[in-house]
Amino acid sequence: AQSVSQHNHHVILSEAASLELGCNYSYGGTVNLFWYVQYPGQHLQLLLKYFSGDPLVKGIKGFEAEFIKSKFSFNLRKPSVQWSDTAEYFCAVNGLYNNNDMRFGAGTRLTVKP
Amino acid sequence: DAEITQSPRHKITETGRQVTLACHQTWNHNNMFWYRQDLGHGLRLIHYSYGVQDTNKGEVSDGYSVSRSNTEDLPLTLESAASSQTSVYFCASSPTQHGEQFFGPGTRLTVL
Repeated sequence: AQSVSQHNHHVILSEAASLELGCNYSYGGTVNLFWYVQYPGQHLQLLLKYFSGDPLVKGIKGFEAEFIKSKFSFNLRKPSVQWSDTAEYFCAVNGLYNNNDMRFGAGTRLTVKP
Repeated sequence: DAEITQSPRHKITETGRQVTLACHQTWNHNNMFWYRQDLGHGLRLIHYSYGVQDTNKGEVSDGYSVSRSNTEDLPLTLESAASSQTSVYFCASSPTQHGEQFFGPGTRLTVL
């Protein structure tokens, strides 16, 4: 079974700082990769996704992620965070087999200080 | 606008009772999913369905069941609620089996 690891449980940054959240997965086959965000009191929303092609994907709100196949990583980045980015971020991986095996990381809570 | 709704939003029940959580989507998606969210575990897949009359077990299916009688609804039933099932439950739907999922607002369930 696949698993997803998010290295940082809680990250605290000041506004305008750069952000990088780590995500590694273990899975032997082809995968679809996702980053979701959950703002306080809200449901999960998709930030960005990678299925194939250019390993550097851009999402909403200035976020981007890079898929490095050799490292089984899909790290999320943003050059300059805002207070409104305070939220919980989840990395997710879905293997491309008939059995659906969407796995989420434990999440990283981001707090941005104004 | 198409949406996905869950009811109730909050539920308190007692150990041993049967509980059903509703999920309704108007996206007309064939694929629907149930997750539970617990601190330190992220979201874990309970059950999923690829279409009417289709149901499949996920990572943490013990103690839960689902049924799919139409495209719009995938109710989740806890046959005999246990305190370990206290959690936040999210329903999701997707136009594809392995692609982006659209999540509902969640149901916070407390089992006393």
